[in-house]
Amino acid sequence: DAGVIQSPRHEVTEMGQEVTLRCKPISGHNSLFWYRQTMMRGLELLIYFNNNVPIDDSGMPEDRFSAKMPNASFSTLKIQPSEPRDSAVYFCASSRDRPPEKLFFGSGTQLSVL
Amino acid sequence: RKEVEQDPGPFNVPEGATVAFNCTYSNSASQSFFWYRQDCRKEPKLLMSVYSSGNEDGRFTAQLNRASQYISLLIRDSKLSDSATYLCVVNPISGGYNKLIFGAGTRLAVHP
Repeated sequence: DAGVIQSPRHEVTEMGQEVTLRCKPISGHNSLFWYRQTMMRGLELLIYFNNNVPIDDSGMPEDRFSAKMPNASFSTLKIQPSEPRDSAVYFCASSRDRPPEKLFFGSGTQLSVL
Repeated sequence: RKEVEQDPGPFNVPEGATVAFNCTYSNSASQSFFWYRQDCRKEPKLLMSVYSSGNEDGRFTAQLNRASQYISLLIRDSKLSDSATYLCVVNPISGGYNKLIFGAGTRLAVHP
């Protein structure tokens, strides 16, 4: 089992640039989650999908953030335009529908916006 | 009020000590509870689930108090390798879908 795969591991960009984070969930998992982690706010749920459909995006900070899941094996989180306050570690996680117990996290993307 | 609240610590304890963390949650309808562990610069990983009757896994014991809306984690005979951040996680059950809310974490440092 390859686990949840995220890319890139590190991203350094300048304010105003577009950033795209990628995630491949574990095969057979029906739910996919995007979290953001900072020292100040901890782990925040941004959005989650079930069977490729966005279920709850209430955690998405603002219109600059968007997420897609075109198929069961791929998701993207896009920030356009990026701002320094977006600097954080972004985690993707996947899980089976039932029971709602275990999230498998990817290694995360460390984003730095200068 | 945050949905899940934890004491950030750090808890500095010597090897062999017993240490306990508490976590409170705001949604009384919450049904599922977990403890995750996160090592420095790593992703969170499930440590254990928390059942109504309480559960034990080796040196780790988790308990749930629904009346007071808190869960606890007890670590006995602390090891250096237990040093990590412990995240309290609650599923507030919204429409029956997975939606795990993480606390900010409690940092534990075990020293020789």
